[in-house]
Amino acid sequence: QVQLQESGPGLVKPSETLSLTCTVSGGSISSYYWSWIRQPPGKGLEWIGYIYYSGSTNYNPSLKSRVTISVDTSKNQFSLKLSSVTAADTAVYYCARHNTVGVSSGYYFLDWGQGTLVTVSS
Amino acid sequence: EIVLTQSPATLSLSPGERATLSCRASQSVSSYLAWYQQKPGQAPRLLIYDASNRATGIPARFSGSGSGTDFTLTISSLEPEDFAVYYCQQRSNWPPPFTFGPGTKVDIK
Repeated sequence: QVQLQESGPGLVKPSETLSLTCTVSGGSISSYYWSWIRQPPGKGLEWIGYIYYSGSTNYNPSLKSRVTISVDTSKNQFSLKLSSVTAADTAVYYCARHNTVGVSSGYYFLDWGQGTLVTVSS
Repeated sequence: EIVLTQSPATLSLSPGERATLSCRASQSVSSYLAWYQQKPGQAPRLLIYDASNRATGIPARFSGSGSGTDFTLTISSLEPEDFAVYYCQQRSNWPPPFTFGPGTKVDIK
């Protein structure tokens, strides 16, 4: 079964760029969609964006101007960069693999990382 | 943007009881709706996809129904491990393509 692991700094200063990497093990990053999803403490889930292994992306319009998601197939990793962060970006950030079965392939989040808490504070 | 609303916000039940959770979409999402379970300190887990299909390994006590704008997740008989927060999620062609509901917490009465 595929496993996902987020990594990156747990503390980022306001106005700086948040950078996270998701390492995929137990399977190839190829032929799947991969997303970043976040959850502020005590709150609900927000989809940030996805990347296909080929490099095509789709971002949440609410974050689009600040988000970049990239993929490195040679390392079986994909990454998130979120610029100009504020305290409102404090959250647990999850990486996730989309489902691949049937006509709704890519529509749901099947496998998730454990999540990593990123705090924005000076 | 398609907005999902979930009710109730909190459901207080005893083990063995039946749980009925509702998710309503602001526009039709056809059957492209999923349900997730999240326990404290854990990532969400996919339970139901395409409104009524159980994901691999999900017990038969979990069932989903609905289409269009109104959906239901039913847990036929609550087990102690089922007390958690449940989120619905839709996929549509409206940006953003994925949105989640605010969640329903099922806690022990």
